[in-house]
Amino acid sequence: QVQLVESGGGVVQPGRSLRLSCAASGVSFSSYAMHWVRQAPGKGLEWVAVISFDGSNKYHTDSVKGRFTISRDNSKDTLYLQMDSLRAEDTAMYYCARDFEGGGNDYWGQGALVTVSS
Amino acid sequence: QSALTQPPSASGSPGQSVTISCTGTSSDVGGYNYVSWYQQHPGKTPKLMIYGVSKRPSGVPERFAGSKSGNTASLTVSGLQAEDEADYYCSTFAGNGVYVFGTGTKVTVL
Repeated sequence: QVQLVESGGGVVQPGRSLRLSCAASGVSFSSYAMHWVRQAPGKGLEWVAVISFDGSNKYHTDSVKGRFTISRDNSKDTLYLQMDSLRAEDTAMYYCARDFEGGGNDYWGQGALVTVSS
Repeated sequence: QSALTQPPSASGSPGQSVTISCTGTSSDVGGYNYVSWYQQHPGKTPKLMIYGVSKRPSGVPERFAGSKSGNTASLTVSGLQAEDEADYYCSTFAGNGVYVFGTGTKVTVL
């Protein structure tokens, strides 16, 4: 049974930092690339970042470049998203998802809600 | 990294078919066979319905079909059922390690 469980969400003031975690179980975590995807309240899905299976390659969407950093610890089967200089527009549910073939993400976590507000 | 264009809504009666388009450019949809489709019910996490343009993951009914022509991908749901009412999103690899989602389509079963 594959499980992805996000944690670390919460309410944070603009300009502050937050780190999300995504703990994986029931899956060969170190064999797969992993993504972060977010969804603002009432809005559509937005791809945020991806990291290769071994952490050697990382890519971020333009709107978070220089502020967010994706990373992973394969010894702990855990994916991270370090979010710095947070803005109100970063308010969203953040999902981690496993990279499947053909551009798809087959397993998703339940999401971690991040609210950026003063 | 502009979002792919989808119609805001689509509808059909039970048993009918509905087709959702997903329009991009030659740099994303048209450039790679990495289009995927997701179904999302209110308050739920997205579910992968199609990957690699037209492949179905195990457990997804055959009435969900994906295709692509040029810079436009499509998802067709045949034999509409009440449980198909949901939001649908396309997504694709866009080169240089980057991915992009579509704007989303709300499917209503009349």
